[in-house]
Amino acid sequence: EDKVVQSPLSLVVHEGDTVTLNCSYEVTNFRSLLWYKQEKKAPTFLFMLTSSGIEKKSGRLSSILDKKELSSILNITATQTGDSAIYLCAVCGAGSYQLTFGKGTKLSVIP
Amino acid sequence: DTGVSQDPRHKITKRGQNVTFRCDPISEHNRLYWYRQTLGQGPEFLTYFQNEAQLEKSRLLSDRFSAERPKGSFSTLEIQRTEQGDSAMYLCASSSGLAGVRNEQFFGPGTRLTVL
Repeated sequence: EDKVVQSPLSLVVHEGDTVTLNCSYEVTNFRSLLWYKQEKKAPTFLFMLTSSGIEKKSGRLSSILDKKELSSILNITATQTGDSAIYLCAVCGAGSYQLTFGKGTKLSVIP
Repeated sequence: DTGVSQDPRHKITKRGQNVTFRCDPISEHNRLYWYRQTLGQGPEFLTYFQNEAQLEKSRLLSDRFSAERPKGSFSTLEIQRTEQGDSAMYLCASSSGLAGVRNEQFFGPGTRLTVL
């Protein structure tokens, strides 16, 4: 059974800080790892990482996949209050298209 | 807005009643997924369609749950004889399904079900 563990479960930082969110996974025949941002609504897609691409960047957000360690990190630099949300990590195994999600990391950015 | 849409956004029902939710995926997306999310948890997979074919169902999906995608476009999720434990946010997602195209899943706003 596929499994995703995220840490920390919650985090409080001040505006301008840099944060690192962690995701470790167990999946049969890894296909992809995805990061989503969830505010008080549905998850919004951030990144998808596959074996062919181990790092992604988009503005202040970046993500790295470590296939050897079966883990990924999501970095957010110069955090803003608008970054406050739950960040979800999910994995997808070959032969299936269902996503297995972790419980998420709740990030709170205070002014 | 060409994103995934869901209807209704909120549903309050009494235990034992049947409820039906609708999902309209992003146009031209072949794959459609249903997930359920409870407080403090990540979304949990329920079922998935490739066009009109239901290809995967979670073993967590009891016989009271049924989903259809009759014409390969919109989908419905029905819960019969609702129980209080069915209270959750029901999320629909869609992805392209085309070979060589990125297949990230895009989520709709969800239907929040409350069973009294």
